[in-house]
Amino acid sequence: EDKVVQSPLSLVVHEGDTVTLNCSYEVTNFRSLLWYKQEKKAPTFLFMLTSSGIEKKSGRLSSILDKKELFSILNITATQTGDSAVYLCAVDTTSGTYKYIFGTGTRLKVLA
Amino acid sequence: NAGVTQTPKFQVLKTGQSMTLQCAQDMNHNSMYWYRQDPGMGLRLIYYSASEGTTDKGEVPNGYNVSRLNKREFSLRLESAAPSQTSVYFCASKPDRYSGNTIYFGEGSWLTVV
Repeated sequence: EDKVVQSPLSLVVHEGDTVTLNCSYEVTNFRSLLWYKQEKKAPTFLFMLTSSGIEKKSGRLSSILDKKELFSILNITATQTGDSAVYLCAVDTTSGTYKYIFGTGTRLKVLA
Repeated sequence: NAGVTQTPKFQVLKTGQSMTLQCAQDMNHNSMYWYRQDPGMGLRLIYYSASEGTTDKGEVPNGYNVSRLNKREFSLRLESAAPSQTSVYFCASKPDRYSGNTIYFGEGSWLTVV
């Protein structure tokens, strides 16, 4: 059965800290891995990763994929209170149902 | 830039009542999805429609039906609501099922069944 596991489930840090969020997966026919940030409403897209070892970066956020070890990490440096959210990892597969498989998310709280 | 629009945003139902969640996208996407999100469970796929005229079950289809009315609209119906269906429902779309494009979400519909 395909699955995506995120860790930790929740995390509390102080502003300025660096955090690393983990996403491991076991799926057939992997196509891509996506990271989303979810505040109060709809998840918003952060990164899509398809190739191993190539870092995607946007400001203080960066992410990398390891297709051999089947995981991805999302790093946030110099955290701010606005980074407080649930971070979701999803894997896009080319299996018969063409669906995204989501992890349960990591709830990040950044304290001032 | 409407994107994916869901209605209603909030609804309280009594057990046994029926209702339909409406979803429309204006991005000319072929594929549309309905997810539910529960605490500690992440997003789980209820039904999806790879293209106009087709629908398929996802992980948790029991108690739900869907209609892909046209390319823009994909509705989710609860025929006889149960408390276990209390959840946040998200409609989503993406250009097609083959591309690696990201998926676009609506704002969510908060449903409480009492």
